Amino acid sequence: SSELTQDPAVSVALGQTVRIPCQGDSLRTYYASWYQQKSGQAPLLVIYGKNNRPSGIPERFSGSTSGNTASLTITGAQAEDEADYYCYSRDISAKHWVFGGGTKLTVL
Amino acid sequence: QVQLQESGPGLVKPSQILSLTCTVSGDSISSGGHYWSWIRQHPGKGLEWIGYIYYSGSTFYNPSLKSRVAISVDTSKNQFSLNLSSVSAADTAVYYCARTFVVVTGRSAGWFDPWGQGTLVIVSS
Repeated sequence: SSELTQDPAVSVALGQTVRIPCQGDSLRTYYASWYQQKSGQAPLLVIYGKNNRPSGIPERFSGSTSGNTASLTITGAQAEDEADYYCYSRDISAKHWVFGGGTKLTVL
Repeated sequence: QVQLQESGPGLVKPSQILSLTCTVSGDSISSGGHYWSWIRQHPGKGLEWIGYIYYSGSTFYNPSLKSRVAISVDTSKNQFSLNLSSVSAADTAVYYCARTFVVVTGRSAGWFDPWGQGTLVIVSS
């Protein structure tokens, strides 16, 4: 089982805002990074650090942390945002790194 | 533009060693500043971090795989490699390599960017 917990599936209406949470005690101390993975493709970094977007990632993607929960927010979801999203951070013992179980985002 | 490319056998027999190589272009492993990771994804499942290496050869492994994993680096070829021993069908997965950033000052963070395209390795007799 993952030490970072994600909801298995989330849906959002086209153009609306969706928040994808990632919960874990280590997130009180460590930032999460977020990855988008479309079917048949390698994961793509979308958020890292406090709230940083790599070059080429749309501004509608943002990250935040509150307590033991990190969140990826998509403001104005587009059809092309339909994908699996994974969080990644240090484990609570700080001895290794872990991914969350992933959230499948459906854009309706 | 930094690119990573995995290479190696797509089929490995049970109990043997799975060996993959990642070739890096557009960045120099020996320049330091980054780590270099292996990550895998079982069919239809989530991502699993395997471990990473620094150009100096320092390694850091997932405890669940540590007894079977060895990651090495060849700075002269700008490559790093994964060896996974005593494989079974449970090691069938897509294996990715990725450049890895690790920040330990202040609030620590780690991230992978970019990733290779991935290579499917099937363990079967």
